Amino acid sequence: KNQVEQSPQSLIILEGKNCTLQCNYTVSPFSNLRWYKQDTGRGPVSLTIMTFSENTKSNGRYTATLDADTKQSSLHITASQLSDSASYICVVSSAFSGGYNKLIFGAGTRLAVHP
Amino acid sequence: GAVVSQHPSWVICKSGTSVKIECRSLDFQATTMFWYRQFPKQSLMLMATSNEGSKATYEQGVEKDKFLINHASLTLSTLTVTSAHPEDSSFYICSARLAGGLSSYNEQFFGPGTRLTVL
Repeated sequence: KNQVEQSPQSLIILEGKNCTLQCNYTVSPFSNLRWYKQDTGRGPVSLTIMTFSENTKSNGRYTATLDADTKQSSLHITASQLSDSASYICVVSSAFSGGYNKLIFGAGTRLAVHP
Repeated sequence: GAVVSQHPSWVICKSGTSVKIECRSLDFQATTMFWYRQFPKQSLMLMATSNEGSKATYEQGVEKDKFLINHASLTLSTLTVTSAHPEDSSFYICSARLAGGLSSYNEQFFGPGTRLTVL
C-alpha cells in the first residue's frame, strides 16, 4: 500500500532554533518527493522537489534530504522565524504509464515557532 | 512563477443550494487540474482529476453527481457542489499541472483554497 508517514505530528520550537522534520514512504513506482509549506487557510506552496538521484536540495533556510534506498526524507529548517509556523507536508509522486503522476500526501507536521 | 487562483476564497451558503468554485491558471496553460478537499487538521484528499475537454475522473467514494467538474479551457476548471449540506463544509483546493509537464517533475501548482461553510 502506498503510504507517506510524517513525524512528529506537531512541533513547538523557539524562534532562532533549528528543527528537522521526518518523512518515510512506501510508494512504488517512485517519481519524486516534494515538501510543501501550508499556512493556515491557504494552499500548499512548494519548497523542494527531488527525484531519486538527488540527495539534497536547499531553498533558503530549508534543506531537504532524500535517501531513496531507505525511503526516507527530512526537511531541516535553519534559524527558524515566526513566519515558519505552518504545516509542512511531504508528498511523494508515483509515476504511472502515459505520464500520469499520482500524488500521495503525508498528514503533515504542524510547526509552531514561538518568540 | 506559475500562479493558480481560486474564486471565491470563502463562501457561506444555505443547505440545499449549489456553490460554484473557480480555479484558474493565471500565467500558464494547464491540461490537467486537480480538486482536493481538506478537513481540519488533515491532509489534502484528492477528489477528482480534470482534463481539459474531457470528463473528470473521480476518486473512489466521491459522488460525481454531487461534485460537478467542468474544465472548459486550458486555464479554467470549475467545481460545483450541488445541493450542499453541512457535511460538505470543508476547504477545497485546486491544483494545475503545466501542459506538457515541467522537466521531469510534472509539478502541480496549488491554488490558495476556498473555504466552504454550509449552514
